[in-house]
Amino acid sequence: DVKVTQSSRYLVKRTGEKVFLECVQDMDHENMFWYRQDPGLGLRLIYFSYDVKMKEKGDIPEGYSVSREKKERFSLILESASTNQTSMYLCASRQGIKNIQYFGAGTRLSVL
Amino acid sequence: GESVGLHLPTLSVQEGDNSIINCAYSNSASDYFIWYKQESGKGPQFIIDIRSNMDKRQGQRVTVLLNKTVKHLSLQIAATQPGDSAVYFCAEIDRGGTYKYIFGTGTRLKVLA
Repeated sequence: DVKVTQSSRYLVKRTGEKVFLECVQDMDHENMFWYRQDPGLGLRLIYFSYDVKMKEKGDIPEGYSVSREKKERFSLILESASTNQTSMYLCASRQGIKNIQYFGAGTRLSVL
Repeated sequence: GESVGLHLPTLSVQEGDNSIINCAYSNSASDYFIWYKQESGKGPQFIIDIRSNMDKRQGQRVTVLLNKTVKHLSLQIAATQPGDSAVYFCAEIDRGGTYKYIFGTGTRLKVLA
């Protein structure tokens, strides 16, 4: 079974803090993704990575950055957290461009 | 709690009955579709997929129907069980283009005992 692990299930941070969300997959998948999930809006793509050290902006990259130093790990960084970044964050991975995305359990982030 | 479902349409079904969940997709170029199930406090889980050269695909207790003429997708769950209670959403993918997933907002399925 594919396993996508997000390091934290719940996080509470203060406005202005730097926040790291970590995601690890154990299936040697090439592609990795970060989404946020908000009521009524569905999943929106923040950033994705086709391979190590590669990254592409998604639909809502503002206020976020990412890092992919190793194939199995994809980190989402909030340089200076704001209250409008309170959300559920989901990481996903897939083997190649034609394959299914598999998701982690999500990190619920609250920014106070 | 799971706030992702607060604004979702809800389908309530009696245990043992069949459920039908619908999805309208937006891009006429989309040629691959996936249904996901998201239980409370968990990430989305793959259920079944279908390519645009098919109009029906069956899995274990689930069937997906695709109507390309009206850009409509449905998920049928046979003999609905309490464990089927979740949010279900579809994803459409244009494999001839960017392979980007476009997700629907989802439907909450409640199974009544």
